[in-house]
Amino acid sequence: DAKTTQPPSMDCAEGRAANLPCNHSTISGNEYVYWYRQIHSQGPQYIIHGLKNNETNEMASLIITEDRKSSTLILPHATLRDTAVYYCIVSLARGSGNTGKLIFGQGTTLQVKP
Amino acid sequence: ETGVTQTPRHLVMGMTNKKSLKCEQHLGHNAMYWYKQSAKKPLELMFVYNFKEQTENNSVPSRFSPECPNSSHLFLHLHTLQPEDSALYLCASSQGGQGSVTIYFGEGSWLTVV
Repeated sequence: DAKTTQPPSMDCAEGRAANLPCNHSTISGNEYVYWYRQIHSQGPQYIIHGLKNNETNEMASLIITEDRKSSTLILPHATLRDTAVYYCIVSLARGSGNTGKLIFGQGTTLQVKP
Repeated sequence: ETGVTQTPRHLVMGMTNKKSLKCEQHLGHNAMYWYKQSAKKPLELMFVYNFKEQTENNSVPSRFSPECPNSSHLFLHLHTLQPEDSALYLCASSQGGQGSVTIYFGEGSWLTVV
């Protein structure tokens, strides 16, 4: 699985958009980009994933560059409850001989401030 | 509520004890995972099961013994653990098939070895 690089920490003002970057320059064509977050002492929570196209759901938007070497997770209106560690993960598509798994890095600690 | 339930949520055990962690998923998934998260470290993938068969063991010491009796249940049997095994143990599950792998995590079991 391709390696990802994320800033160790970021701050965001409450009510503003939080833009979390991720670099995955060695990503291959059949690898997805996933974002999870982990609020202190809880299990990781799935946010969103994508392959090539930008994606949006009720939690966030995922913007993937055309060359797929980087992506940005956008939380449109950050709240204090969005304070968490955010993980960007690149993983092979599940297929023959591959159960599918996620390898977590250090992630970005997002602090949303009042 | 993620559909993945772990018990107990907290466990304190001595180094000579034998205990087990239990995980049950109510999502109809067919892959299950154990992850370990030590203090201030990334999540480490321990074991992967697909349709009850172990497909991955990431060089986990034999004092950790997983068991997957069916696609809905996963156990982690613990014996003669060391204090450094104290950590948050997370169970997760995912759906089968081809393509992307969205993994859903339980809330974790906090283990303290004394």
